[in-house]
Formats: sequence, structure tokens, C-alpha cells
Amino acid sequence: GQSLEQPSEVTAVEGAIVQINCTYQTSGFYGLSWYQQHDGGAPTFLSYNALDGLEETGRFSSFLSRSDSYGYLLLQELQMKDSASYFCAVRPYGQNFVFGPGTRLSVLP
Amino acid sequence: SQTIHQWPATLVQPVGSPLSLECTVEGTSNPNLYWYRQAAGRGLQLLFYSVGIGQISSEVPQNLSASRPQDRQFILSSKKLLLSDSGFYLCAWSNRGGSNQPQHFGDGTRLSIL
Repeated sequence: GQSLEQPSEVTAVEGAIVQINCTYQTSGFYGLSWYQQHDGGAPTFLSYNALDGLEETGRFSSFLSRSDSYGYLLLQELQMKDSASYFCAVRPYGQNFVFGPGTRLSVLP
Repeated sequence: SQTIHQWPATLVQPVGSPLSLECTVEGTSNPNLYWYRQAAGRGLQLLFYSVGIGQISSEVPQNLSASRPQDRQFILSSKKLLLSDSGFYLCAWSNRGGSNQPQHFGDGTRLSIL
């Protein structure tokens, strides 16, 4: 089967940089996605890595290394509004998306 | 632009009662549609997905069912709710054609079973 692992909680201060890791066990997949979900809200799409390497979108960057079965989401210049849960997700070949358990990010003033 | 509507936002139901949650998408045609359940503080569990009218695939066997009577309408139902059906239910859509299509989620329905 497929499974993804993420740290359950991460805490950082405003203006800092934080990295949220995602490790996975799946035989093959199309790419790694990241979603943000504020408390009580709907998940929103942040980024997608089809290939190994770094993808940058403003303050957020995402990285994938298929050889290491590992990816991460990097958030720079943290703001209070970044406090939320972050989910990684993969789509194994021939299957639908599988989501990680989520990482709750708390940004402190 | 595309929008997704999901209702109701909150629902409290007694054990054994029926359920009907509705989701509609606007601004796109032939979307893939999904129903997820999210337990408190947990990830998303895919329940059903649909690639077209009347085409439903179930990911997890349970007492829930789904239907797609129209291209942009997706309904989650149950004949008799269980306590374990409590949770946050999310509808989502994605474009077809390509594994990199992101999923767009509705605002969710928080279901409490008493």
C-alpha cells in the first residue's frame, strides 16, 4: 500500500523560515502535491512537483527527491496567517490521491 | 471562474437517520468529482470519486453511497447513519486530462451524529 508521513506539529516565529517534510512509501506516483487548510476551512492547493527539484511560488517552495522518497514544503518570511495545517499528497499510478496526516504549523509573534 | 458549493455547512443527526449531502460545481464541464471524510486533526480519506454521470467508484466499503445524477452534481447519502459517520465531509473537483490537475475543495460539511 501507500503511506505518507509528516511531522504532526511545527512551531516557528514570524519572519522565520520553516520546512515541513513528507516521506512516502509508494511504488510509483505522478507527483507530490501540497495543500493548506486553515482551521474549519477547506484545503487549498499550494504546489505540485512532477519532477525532482525545487518549485518556487512566492514565499512558498516545494521540493521532491524520488530517489530519497522525500519531499518538503518550505515557507519563508512566515506570517501569522500561515498558521494552518499542511498536507502532502501523492497520486500513485492508476489510483487516486493519497493524503498525508498533515502538519499543524503554529506561527508565533 | 469555477466555483464549488457544498451544503449544509453543519448538520446534527441522530443515529439511524438518513443523510443527504449535496455538492455542485459551476464554471467547468466534465469534472472529476470526489467525496472525502476528515476526522478531527487527521488527513483526508477518499470515500468516492466519479469521472462522469452515473459513474461512481468506492474507495472504502461502508454504509455510505454516492450518486452523480448530473454532470456537476455529486450527492453523498446514507440510509442509516452510525456514530462512526461523524466527521468533516469535503467535496472536491478536478479537471480531467493530466495527473497534475489539482483538486479544488468545497467548504465542507461538519456532521455530528448523536
